[in-house]
Amino acid sequence: ILNVEQSPQSLHVQEGDSTNFTCSFPSSNFYALHWYRWETAKSPEALFVMTLNGDEKKKGRISATLNTKEGYSYLYIKGSQPEDSATYLCALPPSGGSNYKLTFGKGTLLTVNP
Amino acid sequence: SQTIHQWPATLVQPVGSPLSLECTVEGTSNPNLYWYRQAAGRGLQLLFYSVGIGQISSEVPQNLSASRPQDRQFILSSKKLLLSDSGFYLCAWSWDIGETQYFGPGTRLLVL
Repeated sequence: ILNVEQSPQSLHVQEGDSTNFTCSFPSSNFYALHWYRWETAKSPEALFVMTLNGDEKKKGRISATLNTKEGYSYLYIKGSQPEDSATYLCALPPSGGSNYKLTFGKGTLLTVNP
Repeated sequence: SQTIHQWPATLVQPVGSPLSLECTVEGTSNPNLYWYRQAAGRGLQLLFYSVGIGQISSEVPQNLSASRPQDRQFILSSKKLLLSDSGFYLCAWSWDIGETQYFGPGTRLLVL
């Protein structure tokens, strides 16, 4: 069973603050890492797929980095807005590369206070 | 463009009753299909996935089953619901191995 850990479990920030959180995973046999954003009462929405060590991806104010050697990915949000409030999930396939079976972390619940 | 539908949106069922949740995908052919569940306080758990009509793989032993009677239709069923079946059920699809999964709106199931 793939162990995907996300921290912190929850986070409260003020509007305008920048923030970041972590997804940790076993560094051996890495294949790909997915970040999703899950707003309350909606379905998870794909943000990034990251495959290479040192990858950096950006979408508006949200960016992510990947370190496959040490087994972590950071998600950064610059200048948080209330609409950024959501649970951010990371997910990985098992070692070997089968992407059928994504294992999801429990997520980081971000609340941005106006 | 592709869209994914799930119904019903919410469901309250007594223990021991049957269950049928339906998921359909439009705008694509031969998608990979998935059923996930999020139980209270837990992460997303993959229940079943399918790579084609009639091909179902089960991830965890349970009293649920899945079927894929048509290319773009995925059904989650149970003959007798348990209290522990309560949760949020999500259907998802992807083009192929390694591709991003796209989720439906979900069904919130409460078993009493």
